[in-house]
Amino acid sequence: AQSVAQPEDQVNVAEGNPLTVKCTYSVSGNPYLFWYVQYPNRGLQFLLKYITGDNLVKGSYGFEAEFNKSQTSFHLKKPSALVSDSALYFCAVSQLTTDSWGKFQFGAGTQVVVTP
Amino acid sequence: ETGVTQTPRHLVMGMTNKKSLKCEQHLGHNAMYWYKQSAKKPLELMFVYSLEERVENNSVPSRFSPECPNSSHLFLHLHTLQPEDSALYLCASSQDSSGLGTYEQYFGPGTRLTVT
Repeated sequence: AQSVAQPEDQVNVAEGNPLTVKCTYSVSGNPYLFWYVQYPNRGLQFLLKYITGDNLVKGSYGFEAEFNKSQTSFHLKKPSALVSDSALYFCAVSQLTTDSWGKFQFGAGTQVVVTP
Repeated sequence: ETGVTQTPRHLVMGMTNKKSLKCEQHLGHNAMYWYKQSAKKPLELMFVYSLEERVENNSVPSRFSPECPNSSHLFLHLHTLQPEDSALYLCASSQDSSGLGTYEQYFGPGTRLTVT
């Protein structure tokens, strides 16, 4: 069975400071990892993904994430947070199996609050 | 229209009503998904359609009935719902017609459903 965990319900950061949103996963094979962001009254928006290759993945709006196989983590980072980054962030994991359709699993979400 | 659209955006229905949610994608994708998003809970995958064929039914009660008449449209027919079915229902699409799990999903804004 696969699972994904976002250990923090909320992350508070001052504008201009680095932002980190944590994600850990558990899969039996090679994971495919994704980050999404959800603004109020909107659907989820894709930020970035790791499938294979370079462990550091760059995505939209200045976000990046690092795949760490030994720690089974895929933390989302931004060097300098903006007030407009305040939103709900979701980590998701999937993997290639004979029955992949139901295996795209989302974390519970982390609310990011960036204060001016 | 671009991306994924959903109508209506808000719906209030009684437990004995029948209603339908509509989703349309303008991205040329072959896979479409229904998710349920409840407060404080991870996104729940409900149904997956690939090339207009249902490939996943994630133990969803029969009071939810999906329909995919073509690759651009997806419906969720609702009848005899319960108050605990109140949630945000999200539609998504992706290029993943084979269940590889490597493709990101593109989400609509959702339908906020309230069952009274």
